[in-house]
Amino acid sequence: GENVEQHPSTLSVQEGDSAVIKCTYSDSASNYFPWYKQELGKRPQLIIDIRSNVGEKKDQRIAVTLNKTAKHFSLHITETQPEDSAVYFCAASRVEGSQGNLIFGKGTKLSVKP
Amino acid sequence: KAGVTQTPRYLIKTRGQQVTLSCSPISGHRSVSWYQQTPGQGLQFLFEYFSETQRNKGNFPGRFSGRQFSNSRSEMNVSTLELGDSALYLCASSLLAGGSNEQYFGPGTRLTVT
Repeated sequence: GENVEQHPSTLSVQEGDSAVIKCTYSDSASNYFPWYKQELGKRPQLIIDIRSNVGEKKDQRIAVTLNKTAKHFSLHITETQPEDSAVYFCAASRVEGSQGNLIFGKGTKLSVKP
Repeated sequence: KAGVTQTPRYLIKTRGQQVTLSCSPISGHRSVSWYQQTPGQGLQFLFEYFSETQRNKGNFPGRFSGRQFSNSRSEMNVSTLELGDSALYLCASSLLAGGSNEQYFGPGTRLTVT
């Protein structure tokens, strides 16, 4: 079955710096890759996603890149702010019709220091 | 629209007991997925229900079961509780089945087994 590895497990940056979180997946047929942000004590929320027919997607300060050949995808956050501090989860899904389910990485705790 | 709701929010049980957790999805969403969240393992997929049918199942023992009602509300049941079942149980609803689109998470049920 699918396996998703996420690195690093913790990441500390200064406000204004960039942060990069990387994930690798094992199933070459995976075709949907979302990223979720979970603030302390709150529920996970989708921040950006990418499908396998796209190599990069941006939304303001957040971007995701996908390398299908190497089977890895990354989250890039630029100009980090203290409110970006949270746990970030990557996930991968092999969707065939209505079959498939999300497999999550173990999370990266991002701390942005003012 | 009202968000995903879960009841109860907190639960304390003893080993050997059984427990039932409830999830009400966003109105119009027919897919409900369940996840177990623990500090060491992140988010682990339990199962997905769509239109009252289990579509996918994760790698959990048969003590974990679920069902979905005609109004899309879902319940999960854990029988013969073990200490290792202590976790945050999250449900997520989405429009479509198969983990290919945004999942909206509930606040979770914190289960403590003593």
